[in-house]
Amino acid sequence: EIVLTQSPGTLSLSPGERATLSCRASQSVSSFLAWYQQKPGQAPRLLIYDVSNRATGIPARFSGSGSGTDFTLSISSLEPEDFAVYYCQQRSNWLWTFGQGTKVEIK
Amino acid sequence: QVQLVESGGGVVQPGRSLRLSCAASGFTFSSYGMHWVRQAPGKGLEWVALIWYDGSNKYYADSVKGRFTISRDNSKNTLYLQMNSLRVEDTAVYYCTVVTPEDWFDPWGQGTLVTVSS
Repeated sequence: EIVLTQSPGTLSLSPGERATLSCRASQSVSSFLAWYQQKPGQAPRLLIYDVSNRATGIPARFSGSGSGTDFTLSISSLEPEDFAVYYCQQRSNWLWTFGQGTKVEIK
Repeated sequence: QVQLVESGGGVVQPGRSLRLSCAASGFTFSSYGMHWVRQAPGKGLEWVALIWYDGSNKYYADSVKGRFTISRDNSKNTLYLQMNSLRVEDTAVYYCTVVTPEDWFDPWGQGTLVTVSS
């Protein structure tokens, strides 16, 4: 099973700042990596798929990058609605795993 | 618009069974694979199971293999998760979600809470 490790666990930032979230895989996942956002009491929402493609309706301030085992989700300028938990996810051999999540909180 | 409504959650004793349902609307249900994903209280996301659009193939996480069964009724636009031999560690909110054309998970239902406790 491929393990995804996200860092940091918590990111404390102010609105308008840039957020950089990391996801590292225990082995290469090629380009099969996605990012999800989850707000308290809500279901997750797909943000980025296949490393760098924004899902429908996702603002351009969200971007993804990386390859192989190291991936990054960037939020260029945090809006109040962006404070949430973010999960990376991979798929491999008909198994899907998520990272443990990074919480982006208001500083 | 796409709607996914889970139901069937509740409190159940260890070793008992429960069946979850996910009623789908707003899209051609029979054309899409479907997943179940769960989230223990205060914890992260765990993929549970996948079923192909026509029910011909199913895949399970090791943690539920042999105990849970995913199924669907395309005539009723409904996805199911039969959960047997429930354990305390199966306590979670269970979400159903659609397989996108790119093989990711979107959108998601609002979830149904399953609590396994004596």
